[in-house]
Amino acid sequence: KQEVTQIPAALSVPEGENLVLNCSFTDSAIYNLQWFRQDPGKGLTSLLLIQSSQREQTSGRLNASLDKSSGRSTLYIAASQPGDSATYLCAVLTVTGGGNKLTFGTGTQLKVEL
Amino acid sequence: DAGITQSPRHKVTETGTPVTLRCHQTENHRYMYWYRQDPGHGLRLIHYSYGVKDTDKGEVSDGYSVSRSKTEDFLLTLESATSSQTSVYFCAISRGQVISSYNEQFFGPGTRLTVL
Repeated sequence: KQEVTQIPAALSVPEGENLVLNCSFTDSAIYNLQWFRQDPGKGLTSLLLIQSSQREQTSGRLNASLDKSSGRSTLYIAASQPGDSATYLCAVLTVTGGGNKLTFGTGTQLKVEL
Repeated sequence: DAGITQSPRHKVTETGTPVTLRCHQTENHRYMYWYRQDPGHGLRLIHYSYGVKDTDKGEVSDGYSVSRSKTEDFLLTLESATSSQTSVYFCAISRGQVISSYNEQFFGPGTRLTVL
C-alpha cells in the first residue's frame, strides 16, 4: 500500500526566505507526482505535475524535483511571500483497475510572516 | 479552473437521513472522483468513475454509493448518514482520455457536510 509522508507538518518563515518542503513515498511505481496548494476552507489548486520520467518542473518561483528511485520529492519556493501562506500537499499517482488513484500526504502548513 | 462545481457547498443533516452531493463539470472529462478530507488522514478516495455508468470503489467506500448517468454529473450518496461521515467532500476530474503520467487531477471547491 502506497504511503506518502510530508515533513515538516508546519513551517513558519520570514518573508523573502527560500524554503524547501519534503515529500516521501513508499512505492516507487508511480506515474506522476502532483504538488497542490490549499488555502483555509478552499479546494485544492494544482501547482506542478512531475511525470515519472522527469526529474523536475518549474513554475515561476516554484521548483519541484522528483527522485523516483529513492521515493522523494521536494518543492522549493524562492523568495517567499505572505501570499504563499497555505497548506501544501503532495500526491502520487498509481494505476488501479479502470482508473487512476492519487495517494495524498497530510500536508505541510506554511506561514510566511512579514 | 477546470469548470467543476459542487452542490450544496454546506449541509447539516441528522443521523440516519439520506444525503446526495452533486459534482458537475463543463469540460466533458472522462474520469471523475470523490474524496473526503479529514484532519490527520489527508484526502482519501471514496469512489471514482471512468465513464458514464462505469464506477469503482476507492479505499473508503463503505456507506457511500455513486452514480453517473451523464458525463457531466457525478453524484455521491450517503444512504443513511452517520456522524463518522462528517467531513469535507471534494470532487475531482482528470484531463486526458488515457491513463498515463500526463494525467493531472483538478479539484472542485468542496462540500462541508456535518452529520449531527
